[in-house]
Amino acid sequence: GAGVSQSPSNKVTEKGKDVELRCDPISGHTALYWYRQSLGQGLEFLIYFQGNSAPDKSGLPSDRFSAERTGGSVSTLTIQRTQQEDSAVYLCASSLRVSGRINEQFFGPGTRLTVL
Amino acid sequence: LAKTTQPISMDSYEGQEVNITCSHNNIATNDYITWYQQFPSQGPRFIIQGYKTKVTNEVASLFIPADRKSSTLSLPRVSLSDTAVYYCLVGDRRNNDMRFGAGTRLTVKP
Repeated sequence: GAGVSQSPSNKVTEKGKDVELRCDPISGHTALYWYRQSLGQGLEFLIYFQGNSAPDKSGLPSDRFSAERTGGSVSTLTIQRTQQEDSAVYLCASSLRVSGRINEQFFGPGTRLTVL
Repeated sequence: LAKTTQPISMDSYEGQEVNITCSHNNIATNDYITWYQQFPSQGPRFIIQGYKTKVTNEVASLFIPADRKSSTLSLPRVSLSDTAVYYCLVGDRRNNDMRFGAGTRLTVKP
């Protein structure tokens, strides 16, 4: 079956512009995560959605970042008034939460964002 | 949430066994230990998960001592293609821990 997909794969924007990054999780996966990874660094957690529960937004670095998940499936990460320090690879992952099962996260290929 | 500490980098040679240790001194009773592997320009990939003692799959083994304050990922007979970053995560099985940290950058040399 299809894995997690993300679009666009690359995005170049100018400082101050808004960008939207899209994530299509694996069908049926109830949990969805967004991470950010700067060049040569580890993964930085941004936000987590689980079913109909309120999202865990504790990782969002500023109020310029927001995300939504429509219909429990597709998610969009929006960055307003982009800054050069927002340049990074944005990774999305999804997992299936089933009692007693290992909740393995499946990652998409990422969106490489470059802010000029 | 339990904090993890791993070596920043390790070097090895083809055919050797590699052991990467992760420290997690304040691991909670319900926490599991999960390892992911990330190749350049790809998202991380799940390798193995365990709670105690030893877990083995086709890719690796995970050794967890009785006090669970550390864990060791063991990769048998590494090849050049095992060059990657390895992340140790500790968290509750019901709520995936999202704190990947910096990971250990393993470089396998010919």
